[in-house]
Amino acid sequence: GAVVSQHPSRVICKSGTSVKIECRSLDFQATTMFWYRQFPKQSLMLMATSNEGSKATYEQGVEKDKFLINHASLTLSTLTVTSAHPEDSSFYICSARDLRGANTGELFFGEGSRLTVL
Amino acid sequence: AQTVTQSQPEMSVQEAETVTLSCTYDTSESDYYLFWYKQPPSRQMILVIRQEAYKQQNATENRFSVNFQKAAKSFSLKISDSQLGDAAMYFCAYRSAGYGNKLVFGAGTILRVKS
Repeated sequence: GAVVSQHPSRVICKSGTSVKIECRSLDFQATTMFWYRQFPKQSLMLMATSNEGSKATYEQGVEKDKFLINHASLTLSTLTVTSAHPEDSSFYICSARDLRGANTGELFFGEGSRLTVL
Repeated sequence: AQTVTQSQPEMSVQEAETVTLSCTYDTSESDYYLFWYKQPPSRQMILVIRQEAYKQQNATENRFSVNFQKAAKSFSLKISDSQLGDAAMYFCAYRSAGYGNKLVFGAGTILRVKS
């Protein structure tokens, strides 16, 4: 299957700093990627849909100035948590769809990034 | 908006036995996909099985099978011959047909496998 890679897998930062998380599709092009947030033992909540070459679409309740998304190329989307605070500590996961081959509707997921804000 | 409901927060099964995880969904669409994802402690999301709504035949993948009841909007997952490695959080997910559509997840079911 298609491979999606996230970096870093773990990051610890001080309150007030900004953190950037990268999501790359390694062997396919993805014009659309999705960013999810997951709290411990809870489900994945969609934060935003990242569209290559255009602005991201944010879900209701997600602060777009807090969570900056850039999708500058067909293989890379970045999520920047600006002025991070302890409540931003969470597990962030990206996913993308591979359009090659059969239309299975499947999305492929990155390994996730655990953010801890001190 | 579509919603996905998993009514079992936790389930337990004895090794080698069979367990069924429940999932219901709400939609007004006729063309969509349904998925079961497994999330082990590593947190990597792993696709277990998928079902296209237009297909009447239930999907199967080795020990994993689904019971897809479109009219009832039900999509349960059956795991046969349970193994210790099956222990994980399982998510049921819905996706509308079409390129840019997102996955909507249920709350998840923690599956414990007893030896």
